[in-house]
Amino acid sequence: EPEVTQTPSHQVTQMGQEVILRCVPISNHLYFYWYRQILGQKVEFLVSFYNNEISEKSEIFDDQFSVERPDGSNFTLKIRSTKLEDSAMYFCASRTDRGTFTGELFFGEGSRLTVL
Amino acid sequence: AQTVTQSQPEMSVQEAETVTLSCTYDTSESDYYLFWYKQPPSRQMILVIRQEAYKQQNATENRFSVNFQKAAKSFSLKISDSQLGDAAMYFCAYIREYGNKLVFGAGTILRVKS
Repeated sequence: EPEVTQTPSHQVTQMGQEVILRCVPISNHLYFYWYRQILGQKVEFLVSFYNNEISEKSEIFDDQFSVERPDGSNFTLKIRSTKLEDSAMYFCASRTDRGTFTGELFFGEGSRLTVL
Repeated sequence: AQTVTQSQPEMSVQEAETVTLSCTYDTSESDYYLFWYKQPPSRQMILVIRQEAYKQQNATENRFSVNFQKAAKSFSLKISDSQLGDAAMYFCAYIREYGNKLVFGAGTILRVKS
């Protein structure tokens, strides 16, 4: 069964360092997302991406964050200068909606980011 | 803005018993979709069940069923014959039809006792 894959599963970084989280969405999907979950808390929307551009972003997604789909298969989230409060689980998700709208998102297993 | 509220931070159920998780939401839309996602300790969120707002019939998937009350904006999940593998965080989520963003509730931790 097709699935969303994410790497790395866990990354530890020093405050101020750049981090890139990688995702391979399901191949025929059109919409791509990043969500964040601070430990044990709510799953928060960061950004959505469609047709090679950001379609929506949240207040959390400030200038320190960027997304890219560099090669038609990968979807990356870059945090330029990490802060302690960026420590969280980051989930990539994708959906298709070719034809009938279902709204269902398919999630990856997440990348845990720890900022020291 | 749409909001999703899960008022039970944590619930416990005895194995083989039935448990109901609550969810309410706020929207001015008439067409939308509601979901329950399960997040086991392995972390990946897995879709449990989906309900289209235009359908009056409550969705059912094996031991999982929902009680969808559109007027009350309520969407509860019933798990029958609970199993140890049902232990997880459960998230209620909403997306309007042709919407872009899935909005999540805060989650309910379900513990299953043997």
